[in-house]
Amino acid sequence: SQTIHQWPATLVQPVGSPLSLECTVEGTSNPNLYWYRQAAGRGLQLLFYSVGIGQISSEVPQNLSASRPQDRQFILSSKKLLLSDSGFYLCAWSQQGLGYGYTFGSGTRLTVV
Amino acid sequence: AQTVTQSQPEMSVQEAETVTLSCTYDTSESDYYLFWYKQPPSRQMILVIRQEAYKQQNATENRFSVNFQKAAKSFSLKISDSQLGDAAMYFCAPDFLQGGSEKLVFGKGTKLTVNP
Repeated sequence: SQTIHQWPATLVQPVGSPLSLECTVEGTSNPNLYWYRQAAGRGLQLLFYSVGIGQISSEVPQNLSASRPQDRQFILSSKKLLLSDSGFYLCAWSQQGLGYGYTFGSGTRLTVV
Repeated sequence: AQTVTQSQPEMSVQEAETVTLSCTYDTSESDYYLFWYKQPPSRQMILVIRQEAYKQQNATENRFSVNFQKAAKSFSLKISDSQLGDAAMYFCAPDFLQGGSEKLVFGKGTKLTVNP
């Protein structure tokens, strides 16, 4: 069966520090991968998605970047965090072309102080 | 651009009663999928139900069912025999398969409270 792992669960970082959030998927190959951000009490905002290794599409210009160094690994990064980067970050995967929706990771709560 | 509207920011229901959450969307696509996701206080996103736009029959999963009206671009979720564990944020999320890529568009959500 397929599983998705996202870590860390909670992170408190000072302004100006770097960020690296990691997401891995097991039990499938060539998945679509997604990073979403959810502000408190708000909906989900798509940040990045990837349909293959090294293929990253950005939905919203921002202080963040994403990389996909391996087929089932998706990384969200920042060189210098801003206060506005605080939020709840969710990784998700889907099987290409099947229309079965996403399976989400458990999320990372990021607080920038 | 495709949009999704959940017009009820908050809803409440008595335990064992029925509640309906509304969702409307706008798209020029004819073939797509629609989903409802649940986000409990743990914030884990859980798939509740899936509907294929080309199917006229409304999807059902145990106590959860949808009323899909394609012409009206409406996709409401009905929860029957509500339980305390149903309390959560509920998100409507169509997948318009733009350019062959699957990208769900999420509504802003409806917070459901279940009263004992």
